[in-house]
Amino acid sequence: DAGVTQSPTHLIKTRGQQVTLRCSPKSGHDTVSWYQQALGQGPQFIFQYYEEEERQRGNFPDRFSGHQFPNYSSELNVNALLLGDSALYLCASSLGLAGPDTQYFGPGTRLTVL
Amino acid sequence: GENVEQHPSTLSVQEGDSAVIKCTYSDSASNYFPWYKQELGKRPQLIIDIRSNVGEKKDQRIAVTLNKTAKHFSLHITETQPEDSAVYFCAALRGKELTGGGNKLTFGTGTQLKVEL
Repeated sequence: DAGVTQSPTHLIKTRGQQVTLRCSPKSGHDTVSWYQQALGQGPQFIFQYYEEEERQRGNFPDRFSGHQFPNYSSELNVNALLLGDSALYLCASSLGLAGPDTQYFGPGTRLTVL
Repeated sequence: GENVEQHPSTLSVQEGDSAVIKCTYSDSASNYFPWYKQELGKRPQLIIDIRSNVGEKKDQRIAVTLNKTAKHFSLHITETQPEDSAVYFCAALRGKELTGGGNKLTFGTGTQLKVEL
């Protein structure tokens, strides 16, 4: 049973650049949520995708955008990177409307912005 | 929106002792409360969860209690072992049956648990 996977593991970018992070949900799951975890902090909700649509969004600027594909995998895009975007980006998968609220996390992508 | 407060921020116990971590939440409509363990450089791992229609849940050495009236929930670890050392996060969520769709987790700020030999 495949768990949640993310790529790449680490990424180094410079200010102003754009980045794309990828996530494949746990087998059987159809919903992907993205979280940002700054060093020493709890994860902060960015947005959630279900049926290829953004279903809910946290307090993040429009520079953060996403996409979900028909196979339920998802991408997180961040434009015009700022130093403050340096963080661990986690995706979590869960079941859709009929499933439990349990969310399972991937290993994360560590983004460093220089 | 939901706000979750967690304390203590650090907790040091002797091996074999018990550890208790406490959280409070602000949204009375929250109805699902998971706890995650995160080891250094690793993903948050779900260790136990509780729904608002239950007051207590146990799984071997781990238990969670929920007081809906006071909007408090706590994690209890008994007979602590060195491998319990990690950061623990509580979280709260308003379930899909209430939102009609999205179900975001709101996390506490974490507790660094250190189990000393």
